[in-house]
Amino acid sequence: NAGVTQTPKFRVLKTGQSMTLLCAQDMNHEYMYWYRQDPGMGLRLIHYSVGEGTTAKGEVPDGYNVSRLKKQNFLLGLESAAPSQTSVYFCASIRSGTLLQETQYFGPGTRLLVL
Amino acid sequence: QQQVKQSPQSLIVQKGGISIINCAYENTAFDYFPWYQQFPGKGPALLIAIRPDVSEKKEGRFTISFNKSAKQFSLHIMDSQPGDSATYFCAASITGGGADGLTFGKGTHLIIQP
Repeated sequence: NAGVTQTPKFRVLKTGQSMTLLCAQDMNHEYMYWYRQDPGMGLRLIHYSVGEGTTAKGEVPDGYNVSRLKKQNFLLGLESAAPSQTSVYFCASIRSGTLLQETQYFGPGTRLLVL
Repeated sequence: QQQVKQSPQSLIVQKGGISIINCAYENTAFDYFPWYQQFPGKGPALLIAIRPDVSEKKEGRFTISFNKSAKQFSLHIMDSQPGDSATYFCAASITGGGADGLTFGKGTHLIIQP
């Protein structure tokens, strides 16, 4: 049981390049999330999904797209990377998100540098 | 507009002391208030969470105090240990365990001096 895994761990992009970050969970969770973490800013929600085939915008969605074709995977895409997207990206998942006892599990993060 | 304000940004506490981190929120629709702990190079991990129908929740050395009328909540770490040195985030959500995603505070960097 690997929990939440993220690929890649670190990436350097040039401005204008595109890339896809992959999040995978093996806990059969319904809900998945992408956050970005910047120094002094906490974590901010980019997009999330409440089930296979669904996506919704979070607080800072501009410049990103997502897809949830399979329940266990949540992909975050950057079509044309900008230096402002330099950040650490965290994926998270939760089974149903409705119970106090539930835990939102976070992955180890992907560090992205856009030059 | 920052919906969850966290203070202080950094905190130094002696071993065995009490660490206190405070958060204030604006959205009265928030119904779930978790605290997360994050070590360098790792993702955040849930520490303790509370709903506004109780004023306090304790788990081991960690306690959340909640003041609904003041729209404030705080984390108390009793008998603080060097292993507690980490960044702590308060968060809030409108639904249960955070189904619609969490709104985070900016974090508190806690250092416990031996």
